[in-house]
Amino acid sequence: GIQVEQSPPDLILQEGANSTLRCNFSDSVNNLQWFHQNPWGQLINLFYIPSGTKQNGRLSATTVATERYSLLYISSSQTTDSGVYFCAASRYNTDKLIFGTGTRLQVFP
Amino acid sequence: ETGVTQTPRHLVMGMTNKKSLKCEQHLGHNAMYWYKQSAKKPLELMFVYSLEERVENNSVPSRFSPECPNSSHLFLHLHTLQPEDSALYLCASSQDTQGWRNEQFFGPGTRLTVL
Repeated sequence: GIQVEQSPPDLILQEGANSTLRCNFSDSVNNLQWFHQNPWGQLINLFYIPSGTKQNGRLSATTVATERYSLLYISSSQTTDSGVYFCAASRYNTDKLIFGTGTRLQVFP
Repeated sequence: ETGVTQTPRHLVMGMTNKKSLKCEQHLGHNAMYWYKQSAKKPLELMFVYSLEERVENNSVPSRFSPECPNSSHLFLHLHTLQPEDSALYLCASSQDTQGWRNEQFFGPGTRLTVL
């Protein structure tokens, strides 16, 4: 099955800093999602982005499907951005969304 | 608020108990999913239902028994669990299971502790 790898595993930032999270996947995908899991366990959808670039406020994401990676950019980070960021992908003709192991982000004031 | 609710939010049970987790989606979706999230591990897909029919059973032990009475509700019946089954159980839904329609939305989870 498809392999999904995320880097870095941990990231510590001061408020106001920018960061880039990376997701590599091993096969062609028809679904690529980024999620933020808050400290209470809720997974919040950030982007559905199997290809191209999207922006939502301070967050943006780019997926280069031909090179099998996706990037999540967080600008001017805030303490509320803390949590775990997951990417998840599924291959064509499957319904199984495979999750990476996540990037744990801590933003300090 | 994602449109997917789960109850209870926390559950403590003994190994001989029987309990059920409930999930409800208010998004008009046709597919629903159960995932397990253990500490330090990626989310693991357990079951997939599409139009109330189970389409995926990801080698889950029989002590976990799913039920999908209609496209809005999904249950996970638990019996004779083991301490290693302690985890966060997440429910998700999507419009269906194909392509862009497979964008999944998650509930808040049930944190299960088995004593």
